Amino acid sequence: QSALTQPASVSGSPGQSITISCTGSSSDVGGYKYVSWYQQHPGNAPKLIIYEVSNRPSGVSNRFSGSKSGNTASLTISGLQAEDEADYFCSSYTRSTTRVFGGGTKLSVL
Amino acid sequence: EVQLVESGGGLVQPGRSLRLSCTASGFSFLDYAMHWVRQGPGKGLEWVSGINWNSDNLEYADSVKGRFTVSRDNAKNSLYLQMDSLRPDDTALYFCARARGGHFRYSPDQWGQGTQVTVSS
Repeated sequence: QSALTQPASVSGSPGQSITISCTGSSSDVGGYKYVSWYQQHPGNAPKLIIYEVSNRPSGVSNRFSGSKSGNTASLTISGLQAEDEADYFCSSYTRSTTRVFGGGTKLSVL
Repeated sequence: EVQLVESGGGLVQPGRSLRLSCTASGFSFLDYAMHWVRQGPGKGLEWVSGINWNSDNLEYADSVKGRFTVSRDNAKNSLYLQMDSLRPDDTALYFCARARGGHFRYSPDQWGQGTQVTVSS
């Protein structure tokens, strides 16, 4: 159950777009549609922003989008805003019938 | 409004036990699988356990398998995590989270605020 691989940090300026990658294997990200993304602000619980690779829950801004290619999932945030500064985690169902999270990516809005 | 409230955390010595509870409201609890997820101090999220809607499918992370036991009582809208043989590296904020469907293959979508577990002598 190795954690999925995410960059430790990314940054962007207001209005720009950024992409966070999440790399796993054919036993998790590459093998299932059950890939999700979470946003976590300090001191708060995680918030689901993308589920099943590319679906947004009701109420989540359409500036957030998800995709997958092979064993790598990606989260793109367009039109960066100061409020987007947070930690982002990916997660996937696995062949072992468990779930695994990525190590997390800290997004800084410069 | 969906609400998940965890309780039962605290300071415990290595090797001892603790039982966490999660009380759900605002949705039909028996229709959903549930997850336990933990977050160590300054660390990322770690999936701990999942249980499907009728308890006939349970699973655990390797790090807790054989020491932790997940259960639920649909009549009481409650989820539990029995934690035995606790170790210092189990120290974390423990979240309960609702899955998006009846099996824990579905992503956690609603989260509680967590209960702190600290394992130290």
